[in-house]
Amino acid sequence: SAVISQKPSRDICQRGTSLTIQCQVDSQVTMMFWYRQQPGQSLTLIATANQGSEATYESGFVIDKFPISRPNLTFSTLTVSNMSPEDSSIYLCSVVRPGVNTEAFFGQGTRLTVV
Amino acid sequence: GDSVTQMEGPVTLSEEAFLTINCTYTATGYPSLFWYVQYPGEGLQLLLKATKADDKGSNKGFEATYRKETTSFHLEKGSVQVSDSAVYFCALSPNSNDYKLSFGAGTTVTVRA
Repeated sequence: SAVISQKPSRDICQRGTSLTIQCQVDSQVTMMFWYRQQPGQSLTLIATANQGSEATYESGFVIDKFPISRPNLTFSTLTVSNMSPEDSSIYLCSVVRPGVNTEAFFGQGTRLTVV
Repeated sequence: GDSVTQMEGPVTLSEEAFLTINCTYTATGYPSLFWYVQYPGEGLQLLLKATKADDKGSNKGFEATYRKETTSFHLEKGSVQVSDSAVYFCALSPNSNDYKLSFGAGTTVTVRA
């Protein structure tokens, strides 16, 4: 299995500020994704983090609000910009490693509360 | 677009009871289907998966069969334990090479001793 370190594990932020979440994997992965889980709801895909190029965003998510970087095959960041209370969620990093019988592994998540 | 509809909970059972969680999906093409589980205080982890029609995924006593005719992937376990208490998510990906997952709402299962 992939070891995924996601930081911070939780944070409480003031509205209007930004928070950058880091996702570090213990080995190279082919794909990295960012999901959001709003309170009482399921997981929703935000974007695919592409190594060395701009992320691919799902409908309803834009780069200005959720800028993503992926400088190499083991690391990505998600920034939640200009936060409002509606951004209070758990943000999860997901990775896929190359090989047979691949599966998507998930980080522990970052619990964000915006006040 | 692709979507997953999952029986919502919460579900409360006694130990050794039979558990079933219904999951149906809407998708074009040939999706892969998954059940993920989130135990208290832990991250999301894959429980089982099936990549084509009539495949049966199984793990830890849980089973689910990919039914294309009914577009379903119901999760079952014949005898649950307290340690099975968790949140269960049904999910799909567009195909076996695409890991963008669409998740169901999640079902909270509590097993009482």
